[in-house]
Amino acid sequence: DAGVTQSPTHLIKTRGQQVTLRCSPKSGHDTVSWYQQALGQGPQFIFQYYEEEERQRGNFPDRFSGHQFPNYSSELNVNALLLGDSALYLCASSLLGHTASGNTIYFGEGSWLTVV
Amino acid sequence: SQQGEEDPQALSIQEGENATMNCSYKTSINNLQWYRQNSGRGLVHLILIRSNEREKHSGRLRVTLDTSKKSSSLLITASRAADTASYFCATLNTGNQFYFGTGTSLTVIP
Repeated sequence: DAGVTQSPTHLIKTRGQQVTLRCSPKSGHDTVSWYQQALGQGPQFIFQYYEEEERQRGNFPDRFSGHQFPNYSSELNVNALLLGDSALYLCASSLLGHTASGNTIYFGEGSWLTVV
Repeated sequence: SQQGEEDPQALSIQEGENATMNCSYKTSINNLQWYRQNSGRGLVHLILIRSNEREKHSGRLRVTLDTSKKSSSLLITASRAADTASYFCATLNTGNQFYFGTGTSLTVIP
């Protein structure tokens, strides 16, 4: 049973560039959420996708956008990169239809983004 | 912010001792989950406790939840050097949003 997989694991971009990160959820899961984790901080919720639509969004600018495909995989896009976007980007999957009280969230290993 | 807070921020203990870390949160929740993160790696799910549960055990882990105080604690018994990591609590609120605390950095000295 494959867990949550993310790619790439590491990448370096220049200020102003655009980046796309990819995530495949755990088998059987239909909901993907993205988190940004700066060094020494807890993960911050970016947004959540379910049924190919953005369902919820955290306090992130429109430069952060995403997409979910029919196979439940997802992409996170960040435009006009800033130095402050350097972080570990984590993808999490869950089953939205599952009882909320038992809804376990599983995380991938993350994508390290460095903006120079 | 709906984000929770863990304390202490950092904890250093000797191998074999117990480690206790606490988490406080602000909103009504469906469940609370604890995660472990080794440096630079992804988050590993440890244990989930539902809002109607007060205590849960899993191996050397014991989690308590007090919804009246909006707090939870994670106890790791008989700690090992391999337990060295950061530990985060995360709450799933009634809007199905998932928020993390600030984390406790645990160092277990062999």
